[in-house]
Amino acid sequence: DQQVKQNSPSLSVQEGRISILNCDYTNSMFDYFLWYKKYPAEGPTFLISISSIKDKNEDGRFTVFLNKSAKHLSLHIVPSQPGDSAVYFCAASVGNNNDMRFGAGTRLTVKP
Amino acid sequence: DGGITQSPKYLFRKEGQNVTLSCEQNLNHDAMYWYRQDPGQGLRLIYYSQIVNDFQKGDIAEGYSVSREKKESFPLTVTSAQKNPTAFYLCASSMGAGILYEQYFGPGTRLTVT
Repeated sequence: DQQVKQNSPSLSVQEGRISILNCDYTNSMFDYFLWYKKYPAEGPTFLISISSIKDKNEDGRFTVFLNKSAKHLSLHIVPSQPGDSAVYFCAASVGNNNDMRFGAGTRLTVKP
Repeated sequence: DGGITQSPKYLFRKEGQNVTLSCEQNLNHDAMYWYRQDPGQGLRLIYYSQIVNDFQKGDIAEGYSVSREKKESFPLTVTSAQKNPTAFYLCASSMGAGILYEQYFGPGTRLTVT
């Protein structure tokens, strides 16, 4: 039962353009969402998060949008850079719970 | 140079054998976690430990066991009772327990059981 879904396994964009990575969830109790980035041969690293009391959180080139009614969040990267090429995982949690639920990941390729 | 180490990177075992995956951290973190990743799926929590000598089952603990005798070490044993042990295993740690504490991940161990 995958409660967090990333339906696009891969995405390719041109350098300088916007990358939009999407994530859908089914559990309406989720109230904290995170994005992780993973390079080959390394563990995932935390990128950005958002609480359900917000609908947008921005950190430099990265912005996460949350649409609670649609149970959808997205990560925008503007402008995209070749170094952003990685696998991006979204994750969700209920309260301050250790049991995060992860999506399967989307592989982003940014072409020079 | 602080971080989390997992060894080995690749591990091969015969069916029916127990195998222990190592996870060490020198970040002085209280909490540690084990996740499993299968193709096309997200990470799933196996076990977590909020403090030394304490650990809790995650979503898919059956067939696994852990110990937390030292703050810096959280080894995971994949027992012969685990029906589908072949997977990629990731260990993580965080300063405190709970989602608000950023989790730092190790590079992972790919276990293949034949």
